[in-house]
Amino acid sequence: DTAVSQTPKYLVTQMGNDKSIKCEQNLGHDTMYWYKQDSKKFLKIMFSYNNKELIINETVPNRFSPKSPDKAHLNLHINSLELGDSAVYFCASSQVPPGQGTYNEQFFGPGTRLTVL
Amino acid sequence: RKEVEQDPGPFNVPEGATVAFNCTYSNSASQSFFWYRQDCRKEPKLLMSVYSSGNEDGRFTAQLNRASQYISLLIRDSKLSDSATYLCVVNQRDTGRRALTFGSGTRLQVQP
Repeated sequence: DTAVSQTPKYLVTQMGNDKSIKCEQNLGHDTMYWYKQDSKKFLKIMFSYNNKELIINETVPNRFSPKSPDKAHLNLHINSLELGDSAVYFCASSQVPPGQGTYNEQFFGPGTRLTVL
Repeated sequence: RKEVEQDPGPFNVPEGATVAFNCTYSNSASQSFFWYRQDCRKEPKLLMSVYSSGNEDGRFTAQLNRASQYISLLIRDSKLSDSATYLCVVNQRDTGRRALTFGSGTRLQVQP
């Protein structure tokens, strides 16, 4: 039974298109995240939501808009896709927000490999 | 200086070898520390948390040195299945943007 799931697993699209990635967790966690991992494998946090409220908003273009309809779901919508958006996007969840609780494990989804042509 | 720094490797070691990775962090207010493992084309998974007194889990030993601001991971009797990228993660008592920082990872390749 998958704890953190993402769809789609692969996404190939043309520049300028708008696309969405969906994420769901069934762990009962309060906090969810979106990360981007580029070709150099560096994992960078983009956003974090706690109980549907945005708590971390890194410096990402405003073409990226997260939405959390409930605490089990966090979707990522990307407008006007660019070549540089090509990366693997990971969703993750944790029991409480970062900074609360000393050992706060993050559980990652399998990733969405986005290729912009 | 980067917030969390790791030697990218790759570390190429024979089966049965002992290998150690270090990770340095810049913020002395950092609160908790972790090692995650990421296999090729897979998601990161928690390997172990790093406790102040150091901790061991089978062949894996993690140490924290607050004075010098680094953590280490020691793998004894390396197996082929240990081949992966090991990510150092630092968590600060700060709910702002810098609360959770990943290192860029150290790649380990265990060879037969």
